[in-house]
Amino acid sequence: SQKIEQNSEALNIQEGKTATLTCNYTNYSPAYLQWYRQDPGRGPVFLLLIRENEKEKRKERLKVTFDTTLKQSLFHITASQPADSATYLCALEDWRGAQKLVFGQGTRLTINP
Amino acid sequence: DTGVSQDPRHKITKRGQNVTFRCDPISEHNRLYWYRQTLGQGPEFLTYFQNEAQLEKSRLLSDRFSAERPKGSFSTLEIQRTEQGDSAMYLCASSLVEGAYYEQYFGPGTRLTVT
Repeated sequence: SQKIEQNSEALNIQEGKTATLTCNYTNYSPAYLQWYRQDPGRGPVFLLLIRENEKEKRKERLKVTFDTTLKQSLFHITASQPADSATYLCALEDWRGAQKLVFGQGTRLTINP
Repeated sequence: DTGVSQDPRHKITKRGQNVTFRCDPISEHNRLYWYRQTLGQGPEFLTYFQNEAQLEKSRLLSDRFSAERPKGSFSTLEIQRTEQGDSAMYLCASSLVEGAYYEQYFGPGTRLTVT
């Protein structure tokens, strides 16, 4: 069966450290993978997109890697700040499927001052 | 603000009633999506439109659910004979699809509570 799983429901990190979130998928052949941020009571906000032929993508303090052999994406926030506290969602679009996003369940990240 | 808007933001209804939600996408976007999200889960795809054509519907979308996008602008999602299991956040998103890679812009959602 097809699955997309994020490594943990919740992650607590000390301010200033690097937060690393994991997204694993099974039985998908994604054209690309995306990461979104969602704050309580709000819709997800797009952060980064990484294509299947890209290994790494950066945007300010954010870095995403994509390993199609391991079927895994890692999402890093460096120099984390309390304002980075939110739920982070990974999502992929399967080449074989319709043009829709499939989301993981999300990881709730808390950055402690 | 030119983002995606949804109305209402909250809806409480009794079981068996019909409800309708509205989504106004970003004006130049040609694709519009509906998702449902329950607590602790990621959004689940329901349906999407390319301009005014509804191109796919999820198996989650039972006969009680219908969506429209007249004239390729705003969209409505109607749920008939609501059930308690319909309680969720209903999210709308839009995209400008010009190539193979695109992000989605989400609205704030409509939180439905069925009592």
